[in-house]
Amino acid sequence: ETGVTQSPTHLIKTRGQQVTLRCSSQSGHNTVSWYQQALGQGPQFIFQYYREEENGRGNFPPRFSGLQFPNYSSELNVNALELDDSALYLCASSLQTGNVFNEQFFGPGTRLTVL
Amino acid sequence: AQSVTQLGSHVSVSEGALVLLRCNYSSSVPPYLFWYVQYPNQGLQLLLKYTSAATLVKGINGFEAEFKKSETSFHLTKPSAHMSDAAEYFCAVTTNSGYSTLTFGKGTMLLVSP
Repeated sequence: ETGVTQSPTHLIKTRGQQVTLRCSSQSGHNTVSWYQQALGQGPQFIFQYYREEENGRGNFPPRFSGLQFPNYSSELNVNALELDDSALYLCASSLQTGNVFNEQFFGPGTRLTVL
Repeated sequence: AQSVTQLGSHVSVSEGALVLLRCNYSSSVPPYLFWYVQYPNQGLQLLLKYTSAATLVKGINGFEAEFKKSETSFHLTKPSAHMSDAAEYFCAVTTNSGYSTLTFGKGTMLLVSP
C-alpha cells in the first residue's frame, strides 16, 4: 500500500509568482485535505476535496485554489505569492464513507519559501 | 466550532522522566481528539486517537492519553522519556461529521536531555 506522497519537497519562489503543489493520495482514498503550517505554528486547514469537488474551505483567500483529479490526486495552486505564504504545506488523504469522520493520513509536506 | 489549546510551547524532561503534554479542547458537540508527532522536516504521524470509545487511549511508542470530559482535556503522557521522543507534538480536534477537518493546537516541542 502506497502512502501519501507530495511533490516537490522544497520550492523557492519570489513575491507575485504562482506555484503549484502536488499530492498523490493513499491507495483507495477519495478525499484530500490541504493544510498550511507556518513556522512555529500548528497546521491550518486550507480546503478539502471529495470526488473532484471542493468540500469545505478554511479562512484562506481565493488566490489559494485547488483541484482533485479522477484518480483522487490533487493540486494546490497559490497565485500572487506573498512573503507570509512561506510555510510547510501538508496534504492528507482519507476515505470518506458516509457522514462520519475518517482518519486522515498525512504526506511529508512541501516546504515553500517566498523571497 | 472547535478549538484546541496546548499549554507550553516547550517542555523539557530528562531521559527516563515522565512526559506530560497538556491539551484542552473546546467543542460544541462530542469531539474526536488526536495527538500527532512531527519530527524535523517531516509530516505528521498519528500517535493516538479518541473516538468516543474508551476514555484511556493507548498509542504507539508507549504514549497514552485520557479523555476527561469534565475538564475538557486530553493530555498526553509517557511514563519514561526516551531521547528519540524529542519532537513537536500536536493535539487536534474534529467532530464526527462527513465534513471532516482537523483543528490543530500550536504544538509543544518536547526536549529530552540525557
